[in-house]
Amino acid sequence: DAGVIQSPRHEVTEMGQEVTLRCKPISGHNSLFWYRQTMMRGLELLIYFNNNVPIDDSGMPEDRFSAKMPNASFSTLKIQPSEPRDSAVYFCASSPDGANVLTFGAGSRLTVL
Amino acid sequence: GIQVEQSPPDLILQEGANSTLRCNFSDSVNNLQWFHQNPWGQLINLFYIPSGTKQNGRLSATTVATERYSLLYISSSQTTDSGVYFCAAPFSSSASKIIFGSGTRLSIRP
Repeated sequence: DAGVIQSPRHEVTEMGQEVTLRCKPISGHNSLFWYRQTMMRGLELLIYFNNNVPIDDSGMPEDRFSAKMPNASFSTLKIQPSEPRDSAVYFCASSPDGANVLTFGAGSRLTVL
Repeated sequence: GIQVEQSPPDLILQEGANSTLRCNFSDSVNNLQWFHQNPWGQLINLFYIPSGTKQNGRLSATTVATERYSLLYISSSQTTDSGVYFCAAPFSSSASKIIFGSGTRLSIRP
């Protein structure tokens, strides 16, 4: 298996632009997690899905952030409009059901100018 | 929800030394994981260890669930062990919401 695949690996955009980050979980994993990592706040859980259904989105910072999982092999995290304070590394992780043993993707480094 | 605290925040060692990293959690857990984030930012799952002891090469981990702590041991450190080590646990006993401690930054000097 190729592991959790995220794209893009790097994104530089200007304030106000829409950003879409993508994630393909490991085949057969039915839980998917989006995390954000910054120096100030460490690793924060934004949202997680189980069987494509959002279970807890309490970590989503504000309405500018949205996440979808239209099928078992694809999820997106969208920021619209983006702001400089959204600059961070965004990680996607997946796990098989039950133990929630996480496997992380390589991350998407977002810079908003 | 649970609080996850790690110590020490920073650790600098010479190659070949042994180290012990600690993770304290404020409530009982049924899921405790250790991760290594290498200098390139990649997060690797080292152990899933809700209780007991596991070993993988020079690394081992022990979780004492009744006393609410876990330890990660690294023996005969190598420069490739450098990076940040995180422990992670569920926010609450019934949730799959996995939260992370603030990490221990380990630097191994040649």
